[in-house]
Amino acid sequence: AQSVTQPDIHITVSEGASLELRCNYSYGATPYLFWYVQSPGQGLQLLLKYFSGDTLVQGIKGFEAEFKRSQSSFNLRKPSVHWSDAAEYFCAVVPRAGGTSYGKLTFGQGTILTVHP
Amino acid sequence: SQTIHQWPATLVQPVGSPLSLECTVEGTSNPNLYWYRQAAGRGLQLLFYSVGIGQISSEVPQNLSASRPQDRQFILSSKKLLLSDSGFYLCASRAAAREKLFFGSGTQLSVL
Repeated sequence: AQSVTQPDIHITVSEGASLELRCNYSYGATPYLFWYVQSPGQGLQLLLKYFSGDTLVQGIKGFEAEFKRSQSSFNLRKPSVHWSDAAEYFCAVVPRAGGTSYGKLTFGQGTILTVHP
Repeated sequence: SQTIHQWPATLVQPVGSPLSLECTVEGTSNPNLYWYRQAAGRGLQLLFYSVGIGQISSEVPQNLSASRPQDRQFILSSKKLLLSDSGFYLCASRAAAREKLFFGSGTQLSVL
């Protein structure tokens, strides 16, 4: 079955530490891949997306993500976390073509990031 | 870019009462529109999506319904709310030819 999975429900890091949030997908063909962030009291904001080309994608707020086809993964990273990065992060996919799921955005369960000073 | 207007921001309703959440879109025509719900402790769940006026697809069986009376208006409704309808509801819009999804600010619904 097609799915997108974020294995970590909650991650806690210290400010200044590096961060990696995991995302795995299960689709017949590589979907379009996205990372969104939802800060408390705000709507969802797009951090970055992968359609094709360079597998290392740069986003806003110092985030990057790497697409690994062999692992069906699209993990989000940041070298040094700031306290303002505390939020909930969603990996999302859009199937590329075909079937009833075409064009529909499907989210993972989300990962809550807590940042300690 | 698109602007999504969603209201109200917060709503507290008794069990059994009706519901109407409205979402309007500016900045695009003929968008694909979506209603999502985030229940406490869970990820976002797609409830309904619409590719045009009067065209509604339901993703999960539930107590809610959606309507699209105008091109850029999307309404989420219920005749009788259940406790399990509590959650955070997000309206989203995507222009037909692009993938970027724009979200409204959401409605926090508490059913008591």
